[in-house]
Amino acid sequence: GEEVAQTPKHLVRGEGQKAKLYCAPIKGHSYVFWYQQVLKNEFKFLISFQNENVFDETGMPKERFSAKCLPNSPCSLEIQATKLEDSAVYFCASSQSRVESGGYTFGSGTRLTVV
Amino acid sequence: SQQGEEDPQALSIQEGENATMNCSYKTSINNLQWYRQNSGRGLVHLILIRSNEREKHSGRLRVTLDTSKKSSSLLITASRAADTASYFCAYYGNNRLAFGKGNQVVVIP
Repeated sequence: GEEVAQTPKHLVRGEGQKAKLYCAPIKGHSYVFWYQQVLKNEFKFLISFQNENVFDETGMPKERFSAKCLPNSPCSLEIQATKLEDSAVYFCASSQSRVESGGYTFGSGTRLTVV
Repeated sequence: SQQGEEDPQALSIQEGENATMNCSYKTSINNLQWYRQNSGRGLVHLILIRSNEREKHSGRLRVTLDTSKKSSSLLITASRAADTASYFCAYYGNNRLAFGKGNQVVVIP
């Protein structure tokens, strides 16, 4: 399809519970990016993939966050033992290349609320 | 991480007026992009300007880039109520797209 599909749209988890978010990139796009947006403010880069390989994971808090992009499956971002400060909107984006002449295409985001 | 910063942060204008937003960044870049975010939605790509370009137009949008000053501006001409949104600059460097804090623009009908 021509849109980046993120599911679920909303997710509520109790502190300490696991959260798993999904992202289906646009077909034919080789790169996938995850960003975290807190309080409608800055977009914090988390991780990027080139196909199923991690391209850049320097933004990930590795002790609790993990991500995968497996062939023929939506990409996923998993947070183990969620904390209150993980409450944010998580955006996924895809592009055909790292330096995309048309920019990245973003999904509508998953709003995670940790209570 | 080094991110672009916009100035001003919030802007309220009358429909038909022009809106100008600025962005500064700190590192060398390959390109700079502007995105719009409507409330509760994802980012929509507006325009991209490459590091060897100085000005670019797209419809009612005009973006400038001054690499010597490491700054960019986005001008929206003849604003409409539908332009009400947050606008983010983003620049590509160090293998990632980094975003600034965003400008909230409110266009009053």
